[in-house]
Amino acid sequence: GESVGLHLPTLSVQEGDNSIINCAYSNSASDYFIWYKQESGKGPQFIIDIRSNMDKRQGQRVTVLLNKTVKHLSLQIAATQPGDSAVYFCAENAGTYKYIFGTGTRLKVLA
Amino acid sequence: NAGVTQTPKFQVLKTGQSMTLQCAQDMNHNSMYWYRQDPGMGLRLIYYSASEGTTDKGEVPNGYNVSRLNKREFSLRLESAAPSQTSVYFCASGKTGVATEAFFGQGTRLTVV
Repeated sequence: GESVGLHLPTLSVQEGDNSIINCAYSNSASDYFIWYKQESGKGPQFIIDIRSNMDKRQGQRVTVLLNKTVKHLSLQIAATQPGDSAVYFCAENAGTYKYIFGTGTRLKVLA
Repeated sequence: NAGVTQTPKFQVLKTGQSMTLQCAQDMNHNSMYWYRQDPGMGLRLIYYSASEGTTDKGEVPNGYNVSRLNKREFSLRLESAAPSQTSVYFCASGKTGVATEAFFGQGTRLTVV
C-alpha cells in the first residue's frame, strides 16, 4: 500500500550545525505534506507544511524541500540547537481527512 | 488557549475492562481524529470525524468505538481491552475542506495487562 518512510532513524548533529532530515513518499497523488516535531512525552507539534505546487518553503530556521520527480521531502534546520532534539515525522495527505505518517527520525543535538 | 485536551494522561487496564478516552478541542475545528502510536511505527488512524454527527473508520478501527458528542468533543471507547491495545493514543483536530495541519493533544499512555 501507500506509505511514507524516512531514510535515517537517528541523526546526530553538532550544536550550531545544520540538520537535514529526509523522507520518501510513495503516493504520487498526495498534494500536501507536513513536518511534525515530537518531544518526549508530548504530542506532535506542527513545524512547517508544503503543497505540491511548491518545491520550497521557508520558516523560522526551517526549510522544507519537495522533489516531486523522485517523491522526496526534506526538512532542513539551520543552526541546530539543543531544543531541536526530538523525533521528527513527515506526513502526506492521502485524502482530505487522512494523513499517513512516517515512523520518525530522532534528532540528537550534541553539545 | 488550551487547544486539544485529552484525559486521562495515563491509564492501566486489566484485560477485558472497558474505558473511554476523552478529547476536547477549543479551536472550532470540524474534523477530529484518534491515532495510536506504537514503537517503530508511525501514527496510525483509528477513527475520524469529518464533522459533528459523522464518524468513519481509519486504518486500525477493530476493538474501538467512537462518539462525536458535539463539535468540541470526540471520545474513543475500548469495550474489552486487550494487551494489543497497549499504546499511546493521540487525539487531533483540524479544519475541513482544504488540507491543513492537524493539531494534537498531549496523548494518553494506556497499558493493558
